[in-house]
Order: sequence, then structure tokens, then C-alpha cells
Amino acid sequence: LAKTTQPISMDSYEGQEVNITCSHNNIATNDYITWYQQFPSQGPRFIIQGYKTKVTNEVASLFIPADRKSSTLSLPRVSLSDTAVYYCLVGDKIGSSNTGKLIFGQGTTLQVKP
Amino acid sequence: EPEVTQTPSHQVTQMGQEVILRCVPISNHLYFYWYRQILGQKVEFLVSFYNNEISEKSEIFDDQFSVERPDGSNFTLKIRSTKLEDSAMYFCASSSGGGVRGYTFGSGTRLTVV
Repeated sequence: LAKTTQPISMDSYEGQEVNITCSHNNIATNDYITWYQQFPSQGPRFIIQGYKTKVTNEVASLFIPADRKSSTLSLPRVSLSDTAVYYCLVGDKIGSSNTGKLIFGQGTTLQVKP
Repeated sequence: EPEVTQTPSHQVTQMGQEVILRCVPISNHLYFYWYRQILGQKVEFLVSFYNNEISEKSEIFDDQFSVERPDGSNFTLKIRSTKLEDSAMYFCASSSGGGVRGYTFGSGTRLTVV
């Protein structure tokens, strides 16, 4: 999986929009960009995945520019419960010859304050 | 929503003792994984398991570790002789093999070696 770089920590206040950017300069043509969320003492949880342009679901939006060398996870109107670590992962679809392991970086610790 | 179930949620053991961590993956998933997270550090891949055999293991997964799928539902991680540095959260995950978004993690077992 391609190496990713993201800020170690971010602070925000309730009701604000939070944007977390991830750099992945060596992304390959077949790579998808996936974000996971991890609450304290819980396992990581899938949030969103995209390949290019913009993807939106009920939790977040993912913006990917044309060169795909970076991506931005956008969390609208965060609440205290969005305090978590957010991981950006880049990799291809798991095929029959791929064991499918995930390589996590340090992630971005988001602290939402009242 | 289907879940990956892990037991126990917390285990305390004495150094040198054997421990078995148990997981029930999602029933129609084919790939199974163990990850660990030492307090304050990143999530690390230990081992992947497919078609009743280990498909990949990390350097962490030495001879003290073993995995087994003893029946059609359980997936276990055994640590033969625990060391203090084995203290960590251990996460089981399963995947349908449909790409990195197909992962589901359990809530983890906190292993404390004293």
C-alpha cells in the first residue's frame, strides 16, 4: 500500500466543519483512497472510500483532486462524538493474490471541543 | 449490521502464561486477520488467514504466536508464553475480499501481561 502523510492532530469545536487532508504522492493507478475512524478502545471502522472527484455518504465527504496525490476528508458540523483518530489508507482492490492486509499510519487525532 | 465479536474484552495474565484470544468473524467472510495496537501507538498487522492457512504474517508474528480456525465460526490467536511487551489491544478483523472497504474490525481484547 502506498505511503500516506496526514497531520498528527487537529482541534475543532462543535458545529464546525472539519477537513483532514492526506498526501499520497505515490498513489498507483489502481489504488483507492479509504478512510477509517477509530474511537478509543475500539477497532477501526470504515468511513468512506473514493477513487476520484467527490464521494459523499451520510457520515462524510471525500474530495480527491484530478492528480489524486492528495485527498481531503470532510466532516460536516462535528459533534463531541466525532472525537477519534482518522486514518487515510491507499491501496488497490483486494484480489485473489493479495492477502488484503491494511497498513495504518499514525492517523490524525481529532479533538472536538464544546 | 453484522459484527465481528471478540472475547474476552479484557484479559490479565502473568508473564510466561499462554493466552487464547477468540473471535467470531462475519459468517460469509473469507479472509481473517489479527492486528494489535500497543497503547498510544498505531494499529499493526499481525497475520492474515485464508482458506484455512496463514497467507501472510508480519515480523511481530513469531513462533510464540499461532492462529487457528477450529470450527466454521471461531478464529483464535494463541500466544504461547506471554511477555510484558505483548500487552496491547488485539483486534480481529474479517473481510469479504472485496477491497479495503470490505473490512470489519471487532472491538478488541485488551491484553495486560503482568
